[in-house]
Amino acid sequence: QKEVEQDPGPLSVPEGAIVSLNCTYSNSAFQYFMWYRQYSRKGPELLMYTYSSGNKEDGRFTAQVDKSSKYISLFIRDSQPSDSATYLCASHPLSGGYNKLIFGAGTRLAVHP
Amino acid sequence: KAGVTQTPRYLIKTRGQQVTLSCSPISGHRSVSWYQQTPGQGLQFLFEYFSETQRNKGNFPGRFSGRQFSNSRSEMNVSTLELGDSALYLCASSLSGGPQETQYFGPGTRLLVL
Repeated sequence: QKEVEQDPGPLSVPEGAIVSLNCTYSNSAFQYFMWYRQYSRKGPELLMYTYSSGNKEDGRFTAQVDKSSKYISLFIRDSQPSDSATYLCASHPLSGGYNKLIFGAGTRLAVHP
Repeated sequence: KAGVTQTPRYLIKTRGQQVTLSCSPISGHRSVSWYQQTPGQGLQFLFEYFSETQRNKGNFPGRFSGRQFSNSRSEMNVSTLELGDSALYLCASSLSGGPQETQYFGPGTRLLVL
């Protein structure tokens, strides 16, 4: 079993839809959670970063962490064609050593006009 | 500020050969990490360097190695290439490698092993 599980999709939604992307993790030591966005032929870029449980909002994006169920979510409101990309959840254990991010498989999202 | 740069962007090699990939971090960043991305396994951590020292290592065979220079630039080397080494190799940099720091990724080097 992978430490971070993520449905690879693909997910196809119409423009303006609310998108929900989800991951589960198995390691209770995970404390830091991130969402990266990766466009085709580019490196991942950090979208959202949360520590421990709770919600964090940034514009149209909301990241949610529920440590009791080991569940990580990213919500995208009013989705745009420019949001079409692969979204990767990642985690960093508190004692996992330097910069060792554990990634999910990535969910490919397509937003069509 | 210039981002993370990686060279070359594309590479074709044959089985048994070796390859060296290069990464230049963002100016002022001293921690450099390397990841392998494949369709089957996703993004997997290879190793991390800080001040020319490897501080962390993933579960890859010894054919994968790296180093970091005094200017924080890093190289990774893969010897005796196998078909399964075909992947996108990504490098990321951060200030000092702490868990609360953002890692900035480069565009990657796409390696094809024939």
